[in-house]
Amino acid sequence: DVKVTQSSRYLVKRTGEKVFLECVQDMDHENMFWYRQDPGLGLRLIYFSYDVKMKEKGDIPEGYSVSREKKERFSLILESASTNQTSMYLCASSLGGAGTGELFFGEGSRLTVL
Amino acid sequence: AQSVTQLDSQVPVFEEAPVELRCNYSSSVSVYLFWYVQYPNQGLQLLLKYLSGSTLVKGINGFEAEFNKSQTSFHLRKPSVHISDTAEYFCAVINTGFQKLVFGTGTRLLVSP
Repeated sequence: DVKVTQSSRYLVKRTGEKVFLECVQDMDHENMFWYRQDPGLGLRLIYFSYDVKMKEKGDIPEGYSVSREKKERFSLILESASTNQTSMYLCASSLGGAGTGELFFGEGSRLTVL
Repeated sequence: AQSVTQLDSQVPVFEEAPVELRCNYSSSVSVYLFWYVQYPNQGLQLLLKYLSGSTLVKGINGFEAEFNKSQTSFHLRKPSVHISDTAEYFCAVINTGFQKLVFGTGTRLLVSP
């Protein structure tokens, strides 16, 4: 079974802190994604990556950056956390190529910024 | 660019009743369509997908969906729901030549005894 592991299920941070959210997948998937989930807004794509050291902006990249130094690991970074970044963050991975869009998700990281 | 509309934010239903969760999409090109389910405090998991072929797609846990190209819809159905089906359901679409999956805003299915 594909497993996508997000290192922290719950985090509480203060405004201005730097926050790292880590995601690891064990199925050698080329593509990795970071989504943000908010009530009534569904899932919104923050960043994605098709390969190591490669990243593409999604729909809401402002205030975030990402790092993909190894194929299995995709990190989301909040350089200076703000209260409006309080949310559920979901990491996902998928096979590369033309792609069929089937994503495998982690269990999510719920971030609260005070 | 493609988009997805889930008109119902919440659908209450009694146990053993049938249910339909609606999904409409817009796209100028061919698409693949998906339904994902999210149980409380968990990530999303794939329920079913339409890539090509038969327009009636069967998924896990007794769910099925029908692709209707003329109405640009992909509604999810189950003939008899169970308490354990209480979850949030997301419809998603991807352009067949593109990598980004676009999600709807979700429908919360509430099954009561």
